Amino acid sequence: AQTVTQSQPEMSVQEAETVTLSCTYDTSESDYYLFWYKQPPSRQMILVIRQEAYKQQNATENRFSVNFQKAAKSFSLKISDSQLGDAAMYFCAYRTNYGGSQGNLIFGKGTKLSVKP
Amino acid sequence: DTGVSQDPRHKITKRGQNVTFRCDPISEHNRLYWYRQTLGQGPEFLTYFQNEAQLEKSRLLSDRFSAERPKGSFSTLEIQRTEQGDSAMYLCASSFGTGGPDTQYFGPGTRLTVL
Repeated sequence: AQTVTQSQPEMSVQEAETVTLSCTYDTSESDYYLFWYKQPPSRQMILVIRQEAYKQQNATENRFSVNFQKAAKSFSLKISDSQLGDAAMYFCAYRTNYGGSQGNLIFGKGTKLSVKP
Repeated sequence: DTGVSQDPRHKITKRGQNVTFRCDPISEHNRLYWYRQTLGQGPEFLTYFQNEAQLEKSRLLSDRFSAERPKGSFSTLEIQRTEQGDSAMYLCASSFGTGGPDTQYFGPGTRLTVL
């Protein structure tokens, strides 16, 4: 079974600085997707960025980028120019692209990011 | 597009009672998912619908849990004979999928407290 591990329960960053959140996963599959979701306090979860495993190029969305290391099964999220609104729980998630369990996401336990003004 | 909505947002019930939650997905989304999130944990998958068909159920979904999606639109999740261990946030997500990658959009969740 696939697992997702986020080893940093909490992280802190100064406003305008850069922070990297770590995520590792375990799978025997070669075709899958990885996601970072953001869950602000008392608000719904939103997608930050997505990476297809077959793509070697790291995904980028504005100030958010990933470092996808397929062989190492590592998928870290870098937030540049951190803003106060980035404060939230961040969840790393895995989704297979094989039949059967094609739909559901497997989440890590999350990393709580604080942004200091 | 009004997003995924869930009702109620909060539910307090006594142990042994039945509760039902509703999820309205984004219109035209054919896939709908239910997750459960306990404090300090990431969401855990419960069940998945494609249109009106329930295609997958997690082992977490005991016999006390049942979900439906009549006509492939809104969905309901019912918990019978609630237990204190059922206290959690219940999240609904929807997506439009045709076999390729699809992004799941989450609702605000229903927080259940079982006394």
